[in-house]
Amino acid sequence: DQQVKQNSPSLSVQEGRISILNCDYTNSMFDYFLWYKKYPAEGPTFLISISSIKDKNEDGRFTVFLNKSAKHLSLHIVPSQPGDSAVYFCAATLNTGNQFYFGTGTSLTVIP
Amino acid sequence: EPEVTQTPSHQVTQMGQEVILRCVPISNHLYFYWYRQILGQKVEFLVSFYNNEISEKSEIFDDQFSVERPDGSNFTLKIRSTKLEDSAMYFCASSEEGTNYEQYFGPGTRLTVT
Repeated sequence: DQQVKQNSPSLSVQEGRISILNCDYTNSMFDYFLWYKKYPAEGPTFLISISSIKDKNEDGRFTVFLNKSAKHLSLHIVPSQPGDSAVYFCAATLNTGNQFYFGTGTSLTVIP
Repeated sequence: EPEVTQTPSHQVTQMGQEVILRCVPISNHLYFYWYRQILGQKVEFLVSFYNNEISEKSEIFDDQFSVERPDGSNFTLKIRSTKLEDSAMYFCASSEEGTNYEQYFGPGTRLTVT
């Protein structure tokens, strides 16, 4: 039951350009979405989140967009930096509990 | 900056043996979680724990698994009789009450069952 999907396993972007990571979900009851970044040999690190009542949340270089009708969210990183190279996971949660449903991750490589 | 810690970083065990994975959550956090990630696959929720009891668990978290908060600082995951398919990275996470959406993860324990 792949309720959260990240269809692009990898993405390469030039330094300074925009990185766009995509995530699709199937469960319309999800009410909160998050993005996590993960470096090798480390646990996921919280990056940014968005409530289902919003369509955009911005934090510095990171912006998350939510399109509820399309059940799609995206993470924009601009400008991209080499230190952003990591695996990015999107996750979603229901308002009835605190279980996170993770996507399979997208490996971002920012080329200097 | 406070962080979640996990020990050991790597555990090798034989099939059928019991293992205990240990976690020290962030001190003022009240919600605790275990996740696992089989190599090349997604991060999967196992269990959440609050107020000294399991608040939610997934289908993966069967009778072979148990969690405990034996003292005020540690949070453990026990696998009673390990199977080959239990080989994975196990992540502990914690969150503050009221902001439990923002979970802070530990670095993980790599469990290898041979």
